[in-house]
Amino acid sequence: KNEVEQSPQNLTAQEGEFITINCSYSVGISALHWLQQHPGGGIVSLFMLSSGKKKHGRLIATINIQEKHSSLHITASHPRDSAVYICAVRPNTGNQFYFGTGTSLTVIP
Amino acid sequence: NAGVMQNPRHLVRRRGQEARLRCSPVKGHSHVYWYRQLPEEGLKFMVYLQKENIIDESGMPKERFSAEFPKEGPSILRIQQVVRGDSAAYFCASSPGFLIYQETQYFGPGTRLLVL
Repeated sequence: KNEVEQSPQNLTAQEGEFITINCSYSVGISALHWLQQHPGGGIVSLFMLSSGKKKHGRLIATINIQEKHSSLHITASHPRDSAVYICAVRPNTGNQFYFGTGTSLTVIP
Repeated sequence: NAGVMQNPRHLVRRRGQEARLRCSPVKGHSHVYWYRQLPEEGLKFMVYLQKENIIDESGMPKERFSAEFPKEGPSILRIQQVVRGDSAAYFCASSPGFLIYQETQYFGPGTRLLVL
C-alpha cells in the first residue's frame, strides 16, 4: 500500500492546454512537496505546501488538508513542461518523505 | 550560486566492490537526506542526517549500507559488497534546518550506480 497516490499516471496534452495532476495521501502530514523530474533525471523542487495555495509563474499548487488531497495545475502548457511530476508528503510523525510514483506529462507542440 | 553537488554522476562497479557516493549540500545547509530511485520505481527515503548525527536511518538497508555527514566535508553514502539490485539513481537533498517540517529540500543531480 502506497501512502501517496497520484493520478493520472501518464498524461499527454496539446500545447496551451490547462493541466491538472492530482495527489491523494492517507496520513496526517506536516508538509507536501511537488517535484519535477526531467528526462535527464535531475529533480527540481516546485512547491512546498502545508495549507492553501501557492503560485509560481504558470504553476499553481493547492492543498486541502481535510480531504488529504493536493493538485498541481499548469496553465498554458508548453513542450518544455514535459517531465515527471512527483508528489511527496511528510507525515506529522517521523522525518522522511513518502513519494508518489509520479505523473509523466508530455506536451505536444 | 552552488546548489547541491553530487559526485560521481555515474559510477560503475562490479559485484562485491564498494561504492562511495558523495554529496555536498547547499552552503549553510546542515540537513542532508539520501533517496534511492530504482529503475521504473518512485523515490524512496533512505536516511536523514545532520552534521555528525544520523537522525533517521529507517529507510536504509541494515546490511552493507552506511551514511555519514562529518563536521567537515561532504556527506558520504557507502555501499559495501554491491549487488546488481543496488543499481539505481541515488539522490541527495539538503535543507537549512530551521523549520524542518516545512522546509523545501534542494535536490542534487543524482549518482547513477550500475553494478555489473
